[in-house]
Order: sequence, then C-alpha cells, then structure tokens
Amino acid sequence: DIQMTQSPSTLSASVGDRVTITCRASQSISSWLAWYQQKPGKAPKLLIYKASFLETGVPSRFSGSGSGTEFTLTISSLQPDDFATYYCQQYNSLWTFGQGTKVEIK
Amino acid sequence: EVQLVESGGGLVQPGGSLRLSCAASGFTFSSCEMNWVRQAPGRGLEWVSYINSIGTTTYYADSVKGRFTISRDNAKNSLYLQMNSLRAEDTAVYYCARPQDSQNYAFDIWGQGTMVTVSS
Repeated sequence: DIQMTQSPSTLSASVGDRVTITCRASQSISSWLAWYQQKPGKAPKLLIYKASFLETGVPSRFSGSGSGTEFTLTISSLQPDDFATYYCQQYNSLWTFGQGTKVEIK
Repeated sequence: EVQLVESGGGLVQPGGSLRLSCAASGFTFSSCEMNWVRQAPGRGLEWVSYINSIGTTTYYADSVKGRFTISRDNAKNSLYLQMNSLRAEDTAVYYCARPQDSQNYAFDIWGQGTMVTVSS
C-alpha cells in the first residue's frame, strides 16, 4: 500500500502570507496526486489534480508542483476563505489520503 | 446541476448492518466509476471502496474487506454500500464521490455525506 505523509500537520499564518504544504509518497506515484480543501461540516473540494492542474473555478493563488514522491501545494497570498484543512491524495494505486494540514489564523 | 445525495446513515449496534445509498443527478451516472470515502469524527479522509461503471469490478480498503459490499443500479442512478458486521471504528461520515473521468481519478464531485454511528 502507498502511504502519504503531509507536513506540517498544523500551520499558523496570516492573511497575505505565502503558504506551502508538503506531501510525500512512500513510493513513486508519477503525477497522480490531487489536493483537496475541506471546511468543517462540509465535503472536500478538489483544488488540484495530476499534481499541478488547477480544477475549474479554483482561484489562481493555488498551485501545485512535484512528481514521483515529493509534492507541494502553495497558496501565494492567503485569503480569509482559505483557512481550512488540506489533504493530498494519491491515485496511482487505488487511493490514499494524507493525514491533513490545518491552516489556522495566526 | 451535478449532484450526489447520500442517505441511509444512522445509529446501529456493533455487529449490525446498514445500507447506504447515493442518488446521482445532473450527469450520466451509468458512464461513471464511483467511490465511497469516509471520515471518522475529528479524523482524516479514508477511501473505502470503488466500483466501475457497469458494476463488474470492485475494490475495497483492507479495513472493510469482507464486511462491506459496494453495488450500483444504473437504471435508478444510484450507488449503494452494504455494511455488515459493523464495528465502533466504522463510525464516520460516509461520502460518495465521482472520479473526474476514466483517465484521471481525482474526485471532482462529492455528496454532502451521511453519518453512521456504531454504538451500543
């Protein structure tokens, strides 16, 4: 089974900050990686697929990069609506999620 | 509007059974592969099960294999999850989710979720 490890688990930031979340796969997953945003009581929302492709309707301040085993999600300028929990997901072999990164207000 | 709506959650005793449903609308359900994903209270997301568009291929997470069965009825635009031998650790919100397409298996459409509580 492929394991996904996100870091950090919690991130404190201010509006306007540049934020980076890292996701590491236990083996190569090529570019078969997605990023989701989840707010309390809501279903996850797809932000990025295939490591770097922005889902339709997602603001351009979100970007993804990486391939193989190392991936990053970057928010270029954190907005009030961005305080949420973020998950990576591999879909190279079945599906596995990272444990999540909570982005909190500093 | 593209939509998935889950139902069937509730309180069940350990060892009991429950059947979840997911009603699809706004897209050609019969052409889409589907999944169930769950989230225990205060915890992260866990993929549970997959079914292909015609119901002939299924996959399960090790944690539910042998106890849960995924199925679908394309005539009714519905996805199901039969859950047997339920345990306390199966307590979670259960989401149905649709992959983008047959080339890209990120989940672009999610239901609102249905809560399953396993407790005596």
